[in-house]
Amino acid sequence: DTGVSQDPRHKITKRGQNVTFRCDPISEHNRLYWYRQTLGQGPEFLTYFQNEAQLEKSRLLSDRFSAERPKGSFSTLEIQRTEQGDSAMYLCASSAAEGSSGNTIYFGEGSWLTVV
Amino acid sequence: GNSVTQMEGPVTLSEEAFLTINCTYTATGYPSLFWYVQYPGEGLQLLLKATKADDKGSNKGFEATYRKETTSFHLEKGSVQVSDSAVYFCALNDYGGSQGNLIFGKGTKLSVKP
Repeated sequence: DTGVSQDPRHKITKRGQNVTFRCDPISEHNRLYWYRQTLGQGPEFLTYFQNEAQLEKSRLLSDRFSAERPKGSFSTLEIQRTEQGDSAMYLCASSAAEGSSGNTIYFGEGSWLTVV
Repeated sequence: GNSVTQMEGPVTLSEEAFLTINCTYTATGYPSLFWYVQYPGEGLQLLLKATKADDKGSNKGFEATYRKETTSFHLEKGSVQVSDSAVYFCALNDYGGSQGNLIFGKGTKLSVKP
């Protein structure tokens, strides 16, 4: 299976610690997205990359959050000095060519973060 | 701005019942519309999509028709199964806008009883 993969699937951390999530997109996709989903809500957009360039960031992405995609393939999302409000599922997704009407975004299974 | 509104759940049905989950949208351009499904503890899976007005997306017995005149994309299935129990998300992607990302509704939880 060559879908979007995320690691780790679950992470429990103490408040104030840093955490990092990794995402491997579908290999031929040049767009990569990060979303956050809290219980009972739909996913909310955080940021996206086209190849290695980070093209857009949501206001939800505070200064404690940083995302990278250094070689235009896998991506990491780091959260520094975690807070309990960061507890959520972090979803990675990818899609093919830019701007194509109807282009489909495929999601990974998500990384659950619990901050205690 | 762009937005998606879904009917609130939870929706509880008996097996083989007819399902409708309403979804309406607001968009500045000509969005593509999607339904995603999320099973417990899992990420989102694309269920179906439609890219222009009057298109009908279908998959696994589910259908939704892109209605520009009513800005709607209601999800329907003629006979639900217990295995359809999940949370369903309506979403749009307005490629004419500044972001190429998805905007989701809050989701509708479906429970199907045997």
